[in-house]
Amino acid sequence: EAQVTQNPRYLITVTGKKLTVTCSQNMNHEYMSWYRQDPGLGLRQIYYSMNVEVTDKGDVPEGYKVSRKEKRNFPLILESPSPNQTSLYFCASTDNPGQRYNEQFFGPGTRLTVL
Amino acid sequence: GQNIDQPTEMTATEGAIVQINCTYQTSGFNGLFWYQQHAGEAPTFLSYNVLDGLEEKGRFSSFLSRSKGYSYLLLKELQMKDSASYLCALSGNTGKLIFGQGTTLQVKP
Repeated sequence: EAQVTQNPRYLITVTGKKLTVTCSQNMNHEYMSWYRQDPGLGLRQIYYSMNVEVTDKGDVPEGYKVSRKEKRNFPLILESPSPNQTSLYFCASTDNPGQRYNEQFFGPGTRLTVL
Repeated sequence: GQNIDQPTEMTATEGAIVQINCTYQTSGFNGLFWYQQHAGEAPTFLSYNVLDGLEEKGRFSSFLSRSKGYSYLLLKELQMKDSASYLCALSGNTGKLIFGQGTTLQVKP
């Protein structure tokens, strides 16, 4: 089954404790992206990757890091989480974003709470 | 910039038709997507418009007018399960999706 998976699905942590949210897709997509969703603000892009070893900042990259060592995986790293990073996070992937039709497939989401 | 506006909330009756509008200001984009999102779940694809006009998919239709900076999603024969948020998003060459805040639709019996 073609899918995007994320782990963990739910996480409660404390300020300053490094964490990683994993994302994996089995569709051989080149493009992967991370979004966060907050009430009243909608979905906002954090980072994206056009291919292996190619990453770039989205609209809200502060406090986050990413890596793309393999095509299928795109982990999101919070080196020192803070309460304002409490949010619902989605990973997404698509094939060749330069094409006009580039439906993005979303993972199930990770609900993160930073105390 | 790309400002995307949608109504925050709408209410409609089961069996009825509802139109959710999306207006935007942008210098250019590849196409316009509509996604459905149930609370706490991932957005799922509904429709995509690249050319002006109407795209129909079963009970859902989407319309785009690039000259007017306007799109709408039309839902017919509303069902209770259609209660969800509906997200309008513009796509660009880099693959980035710019989302509106979403419209929460409540379908009542």
